[in-house]
Amino acid sequence: AQKVTQAQTEISVVEKEDVTLDCVYETRDTTYYLFWYKQPPSGELVFLIRRNSFDEQNEISGRYSWNFQKSTSSFNFTITASQVVDSAVYFCALSEPYYGQNFVFGPGTRLSVLP
Amino acid sequence: DVKVTQSSRYLVKRTGEKVFLECVQDMDHENMFWYRQDPGLGLRLIYFSYDVKMKEKGDIPEGYSVSREKKERFSLILESASTNQTSMYLCASSKRDMLDSGANVLTFGAGSRLTVL
Repeated sequence: AQKVTQAQTEISVVEKEDVTLDCVYETRDTTYYLFWYKQPPSGELVFLIRRNSFDEQNEISGRYSWNFQKSTSSFNFTITASQVVDSAVYFCALSEPYYGQNFVFGPGTRLSVLP
Repeated sequence: DVKVTQSSRYLVKRTGEKVFLECVQDMDHENMFWYRQDPGLGLRLIYFSYDVKMKEKGDIPEGYSVSREKKERFSLILESASTNQTSMYLCASSKRDMLDSGANVLTFGAGSRLTVL
C-alpha cells in the first residue's frame, strides 16, 4: 500500500531561520512521482515541485530546496531564511502511474513563521 | 486567472439535507477530483472522474455521489448530510497524459467548508 508520512504536525520558527519539513513515503512501484504543495490561509493548494523516481538530483529554487533520497524513501523540503509569507500548511504527496491518476497525500505540516 | 472554481466557500446545512458542491474548471482538463481535508488526516480522495459521465470511487466514497455531465463541471452530492461530513472539501483537476499519467500536477480550487448541524 502507498503511504506518505509527515511526522511534524506543526513547526514554529522565527523569521530568517532555516526550516526543514520531512516527508517519508512507502510504495511498491519503481515508477512514481513525489510532490510538494503549499496551502496558505486562503485555502487553495499551490503546486511547488514534482520529482520522478528516477531523478534523485536535489533541486533548488530560490529559498526552497528539496532533498530526494530513495535509500531512505524521503523527500524533504528546506526553506532557507524563512519569511512570514512562508506560513502555511505543506503537503507531501505520492502519485503512481494510473489511468485516472491517484495521489496519496501526507497529513501535512503546519509551518508558522513568526516576525 | 481563476482556473478551478468552487461555487461556495462556506455552507451550513442541517442533518438530513441534500447538499450539492459544484466545481468548474476552465483548463479543458480531463481528470477531476473531490477530496476531503480534515486536520491530521491530510487530503482523502472521495471520487474522481477521468472523462464525462465516468467516475471512480476513491478512498472514502460512502455517503457521497458525484456527477459529471460536462467536461468542465464536477459535482459532489451528499444525499443526506450527517454531522460527520462536516469538513473542508477540495476540488482539483489535471490533464490526462496517456504517456505518463502519474506526472500531472493537480490544480486546486479554494475549497468549500461545509458545516452540518
